[in-house]
Amino acid sequence: EAGVAQSPRYKIIEKRQSVAFWCNPISGHATLYWYQQILGQGPKLLIQFQNNGVVDDSQLPKDRFSAERLKGVDSTLKIQPAKLEDSAVYLCASSFWTGESDTQYFGPGTRLTVL
Amino acid sequence: GQQLNQSPQSMFIQEGEDVSMNCTSSSIFNTWLWYKQDPGEGPVLLIALYKAGELTSNGRLTAQFGITRKDSFLNISASIPSDVGIYFCAGQLRTNAGKSTFGDGTTLTVKP
Repeated sequence: EAGVAQSPRYKIIEKRQSVAFWCNPISGHATLYWYQQILGQGPKLLIQFQNNGVVDDSQLPKDRFSAERLKGVDSTLKIQPAKLEDSAVYLCASSFWTGESDTQYFGPGTRLTVL
Repeated sequence: GQQLNQSPQSMFIQEGEDVSMNCTSSSIFNTWLWYKQDPGEGPVLLIALYKAGELTSNGRLTAQFGITRKDSFLNISASIPSDVGIYFCAGQLRTNAGKSTFGDGTTLTVKP
């Protein structure tokens, strides 16, 4: 079974530029997550989708970050304009409900460096 | 919001030694999860715990869900070089649609 795919793997931009990340979840997984992982910290949830609807975006800096999952499958996360503090790894995860918990499978992440 | 405190922050051990790490929270969780993250990769689930007091093993790894539901422990026995990585705990609430809160990780280094 193919895992969660993300692209690009690395991106270097200058502050105030825009950037977009793409995620293709595991087939059949209804829930998709975007996390931000700053060096030395654990992943922090940015946004959670259930199919193509937003479940939780309370931690998403909406003045500069946006995300969509138009057809309930692939998702894109955009930052516009980027700030230095946005340098981090952006992880996408997808999951299915087991009846007891939400088993999340992570992609390899996109490492963003903002100069 | 909920915060998880993981300790120790880092560990340097000799191959063959046992390892213990823990995670504490200011509030309760219904599910505790332990992940391992290798460099350049996303976290991979190691063990999931669903009930207070539960003790679950996965090979040389054993994890426990604390009785108070505010803590969890992970033990690795007879460590080997490929155990190197960052170990994260995460808590979930059933009322929170599967949202996971992560700790900041324990970095494990194993010397051959």
